[in-house]
Amino acid sequence: GESVGLHLPTLSVQEGDNSIINCAYSNSASDYFIWYKQESGKGPQFIIDIRSNMDKRQGQRVTVLLNKTVKHLSLQIAATQPGDSAVYFCAENEEGTSYGKLTFGQGTILTVHP
Amino acid sequence: DTGVSQDPRHKITKRGQNVTFRCDPISEHNRLYWYRQTLGQGPEFLTYFQNEAQLEKSRLLSDRFSAERPKGSFSTLEIQRTEQGDSAMYLCASSPRGELFFGEGSRLTVL
Repeated sequence: GESVGLHLPTLSVQEGDNSIINCAYSNSASDYFIWYKQESGKGPQFIIDIRSNMDKRQGQRVTVLLNKTVKHLSLQIAATQPGDSAVYFCAENEEGTSYGKLTFGQGTILTVHP
Repeated sequence: DTGVSQDPRHKITKRGQNVTFRCDPISEHNRLYWYRQTLGQGPEFLTYFQNEAQLEKSRLLSDRFSAERPKGSFSTLEIQRTEQGDSAMYLCASSPRGELFFGEGSRLTVL
């Protein structure tokens, strides 16, 4: 039978390359966006966040870009390492709701080859 | 370990049985959230507490589901009369305000 829900987008890169993971969102009322990393058997781990009044935010080796016009979010990982291999989720929070009430995207599987 | 702790990590049960999951949040966090995650999907919000008050419940939380946080510290999520469709990872997260800190989840398999 068909494996429902297992057809996640995948990205395969070589160690040291830069990675870009994309996410589209649909809720115009969302004003807070977060990227999470989830390793197998573990809970999601916060990577970086951005508010709707910004279009770019940088962290250590990671950058998040937000394009509100086309409702698009991206995560850039510089000098990708094997330890970065995981599923990456974008999540959004609607203005006026609890910060922790998030709507998660489908997820992208990142595989980093040594 | 001062992170969010969930117990049990794995639970296998037969359809129709009741199960209960426990979450111990990071001690100074007053907000606690429950999410459900099925294979290949992102987590879905179920409910959240601020201290002992349950402030919001998702429509995903049917009458068979109940969550409590009696003293504003640990929380329990009970599922009554489990169905095969309840099979999922149940994630707990806590927050002081803003960033969520997730536990490693409790995986439920209903046979």
